[in-house]
Amino acid sequence: GAVVSQHPSRVICKSGTSVKIECRSLDFQATTMFWYRQFPKQSLMLMATSNEGSKATYEQGVEKDKFLINHASLTLSTLTVTSAHPEDSSFYICSARDSGWYNEQFFGPGTRLTVL
Amino acid sequence: QKEVEQNSGPLSVPEGAIASLNCTYSDRGSQSFFWYRQYSGKSPELIMSIYSNGDQEDGRFTAQLNKASQYVSLLIRDSQPSDSATYLCAVNMGSGGSNYKLTFGKGTLLTVNP
Repeated sequence: GAVVSQHPSRVICKSGTSVKIECRSLDFQATTMFWYRQFPKQSLMLMATSNEGSKATYEQGVEKDKFLINHASLTLSTLTVTSAHPEDSSFYICSARDSGWYNEQFFGPGTRLTVL
Repeated sequence: QKEVEQNSGPLSVPEGAIASLNCTYSDRGSQSFFWYRQYSGKSPELIMSIYSNGDQEDGRFTAQLNKASQYVSLLIRDSQPSDSATYLCAVNMGSGGSNYKLTFGKGTLLTVNP
């Protein structure tokens, strides 16, 4: 399958700071990337759909001013958690859709965010 | 509301047995169906995709799709302890165009006992 990377894999920050997470498709071009959040022992929750060159589409209840998404190229999308608070601590996972594979999404390894 | 339902389990099988995981979905127009495996603390890994009625086999894994019954399943033959994980059923319920979102079930926890 296609390879998706995420950086950093783990981040610990103080409350009030902003954290940027990068998601890269390494061996394919991804016109569409997705950002998910997963709390312990819970299912994946889609936060937003990121399309290259256009504004992200956020799911209901997700604050677009708090979770800034930029999909500036066909291989890179970034998620910035602004003014992070302890309740934002979670496992953030991106996925990328390979247009060469019908609707298949490949996940990055995830970023574990801890806000103190 | 569009939904994907899975039995949360846990499903426990002995090593070498067949594990059967089931999933139903609400949107009759769904076209693409996927099974992901997620180990504890890790991200999901795509293991099977299926798009048409019938069976799709890949090694020890077989995905089965019945669109009339809105049902998709995953069989794991010769189960191994390393198969112990949460299995997520995902369905693309997009009505075409650029809607490629997946709707995930809550996952079934599988434990394979040595």
